[in-house]
Amino acid sequence: QLVESGGGLVQPGGSLRLSCAASGFSISTYWMTWVRQAPGKGLEWVANIDQDGSVTHYVDSGKGRFTVSRDNAKNSLYLQMNVLRDADTAVYFCARDPTPSFRTGDRWNAYDALDMWGQGTMVTVSS
Amino acid sequence: AIQMTQSPSSLSASVGDRVTITCRASQGIGDDLSWYQQKPGTAPKLLICAASHLESGVPSRFSGSGSGTDFTLTISSLQPEDFASYFCLQDYSYPRTFGQGTKVEIK
Repeated sequence: QLVESGGGLVQPGGSLRLSCAASGFSISTYWMTWVRQAPGKGLEWVANIDQDGSVTHYVDSGKGRFTVSRDNAKNSLYLQMNVLRDADTAVYFCARDPTPSFRTGDRWNAYDALDMWGQGTMVTVSS
Repeated sequence: AIQMTQSPSSLSASVGDRVTITCRASQGIGDDLSWYQQKPGTAPKLLICAASHLESGVPSRFSGSGSGTDFTLTISSLQPEDFASYFCLQDYSYPRTFGQGTKVEIK
């Protein structure tokens, strides 16, 4: 399972570090992803990271403010969020991505498939 | 960023109905699309990846189709536990983007 922690109330401009602890499997063989959901709104993809932490991607609004990282030895994923804005208020989910491959014609392609999710941690940015 | 437009945003249906939800991409994305179900207060659940591949354990009444820009999630016979919100997610390019969601309500 995946268990997020680290959410809370923070003032605009502040920082938070979210954690996602995995159990029952090793995250070392998976891409890992952060997704958020503002209250009453839809899902927004935030960031992901490859198996050894060498490749990361971010939502445009998070570039330069968010940093995704991982510690495979601790079986944990992290999201450092700086210069927080009201618009960052949301439940933050971590998810596992086994990136399954399927054959299309004579080619094998890898796909995203967020097959395990945590319960989420709430981040509220407000003065 | 690729925009994903889902329709309808909500629908009312009865148990046993066939339900179709569509997702349109702002540019071609091949078959790089997955579908998720979310019930209130819970995390999303993967239904389908690669546009049409059913996740293990997901009932066969769920199916996905499409490629390029137009995709469909079909529930062949709606069950009480299927009343939820559904989201598509493109994984063709970064940043990944979700559709805005479709809420399936009881008629």
